[in-house]
Amino acid sequence: AQKITQTQPGMFVQEKEAVTLDCTYDTSDPSYGLFWYKQPSSGEMIFLIYQGSYDQQNATEGRYSLNFQKARKSANLVISASQLGDSAMYFCAMREPEKGGKLIFGQGTELSVKP
Amino acid sequence: KAGVTQTPRYLIKTRGQQVTLSCSPISGHRSVSWYQQTPGQGLQFLFEYFSETQRNKGNFPGRFSGRQFSNSRSEMNVSTLELGDSALYLCASSLARYTDTQYFGPGTRLTVL
Repeated sequence: AQKITQTQPGMFVQEKEAVTLDCTYDTSDPSYGLFWYKQPSSGEMIFLIYQGSYDQQNATEGRYSLNFQKARKSANLVISASQLGDSAMYFCAMREPEKGGKLIFGQGTELSVKP
Repeated sequence: KAGVTQTPRYLIKTRGQQVTLSCSPISGHRSVSWYQQTPGQGLQFLFEYFSETQRNKGNFPGRFSGRQFSNSRSEMNVSTLELGDSALYLCASSLARYTDTQYFGPGTRLTVL
């Protein structure tokens, strides 16, 4: 069964430093997509970055990059130059095409950025 | 382009009542999925609609149902509310079903007393 694991319930980072949020996944399907979402205290899930299982290069979106290690089944999110507004819950999610619109989420990591 | 909208944003109901939540997807998006978020269970998939048909369903009792209209707007209904149904209900839309990114609305926070 497909599964997403985020082992860091909470993390602290100093403003302007980089931080890595861990995500490992388990699936037997060779085709899948991995997503990271940010959820501020307001509740809305904000899409950050996407990595397809067949993508040759790691995805990047502004200050966000995804460290995709397919053999290890890990998809860690790297946030560079942290800002106070980055304080939020971060969720890793996976989607298998044969399951259509169903996203499987990890338990999340709460990131706190210190000034 | 407007994002996903959900109404109402907050609801308070009592046990045994029923509730209907509404979701309007991003213009042009045809796939709508619903998720329940609770502190104990995290984010769980409820169901997915595409072209007015339920395409996928999560592991929830029959009290949870939904539908999608021809304009892709979707509603979900919970009948005979239980205390454990208190949660944030999130709706997400995407252009198509299989590979596109899902964009979420702000959610409806349901409290059952």
